[in-house]
Amino acid sequence: EDQVTQSPEALRLQEGESSSLNCSYTVSGLRGLFWYRQDPGKGPEFLFTLYSAGEEKEKERLKATLTKKESFLHITAPKPEDSATYLCAVQGRSGNTGKLIFGQGTTLQVKP
Amino acid sequence: DAGVIQSPRHEVTEMGQEVTLRCKPISGHDYLFWYRQTMMRGLELLIYFNNNVPIDDSGMPEDRFSAKMPNASFSTLKIQPSEPRDSAVYFCASSFTGGHGYTFGSGTRLTVV
Repeated sequence: EDQVTQSPEALRLQEGESSSLNCSYTVSGLRGLFWYRQDPGKGPEFLFTLYSAGEEKEKERLKATLTKKESFLHITAPKPEDSATYLCAVQGRSGNTGKLIFGQGTTLQVKP
Repeated sequence: DAGVIQSPRHEVTEMGQEVTLRCKPISGHDYLFWYRQTMMRGLELLIYFNNNVPIDDSGMPEDRFSAKMPNASFSTLKIQPSEPRDSAVYFCASSFTGGHGYTFGSGTRLTVV
């Protein structure tokens, strides 16, 4: 069964204090790993897709990396507007391949 | 594009009543997904459609839940009868074959009292 575990559940940072969020996964053949951002009262917003180990994607202060067992979302010099819940999801190659399995998310709070 | 449109945004209903949630996917997208989000269980996939055909409904909690997609631009999720434990935020999302990730709607917050 495909599974996604995110850690930590919650993270508090001071503005400018860099850190990383972890996403560990088990899947029968990875088709893609996805990162989303969710603000309170809104739907998840797509950030990145990673397809193979060693791949990296960047967007502003965020960088996502992928290994065969986990993905990291690195946040460099975060700002208060980066505060949100970050969700990781995997899409497998076996069975019904259209669906994404989500982790529980990491709630990030960045204080000024 | 207006994105994925869900209605209503909020729904408060009494236990035992029928509830219908609505979704309009992005034009041209051939996949549509219904998810439920709670604090305890996170985002759970309920059912998804490809080209209007249900592909996987293994996440539908029980027979009280049903979903339809009569055409490419509209889907409904119905709960009959509703129960307090159905209280959650229900999201609809759509994507297209070969695309990267889903686009989610803003969700419907359902409260059953």
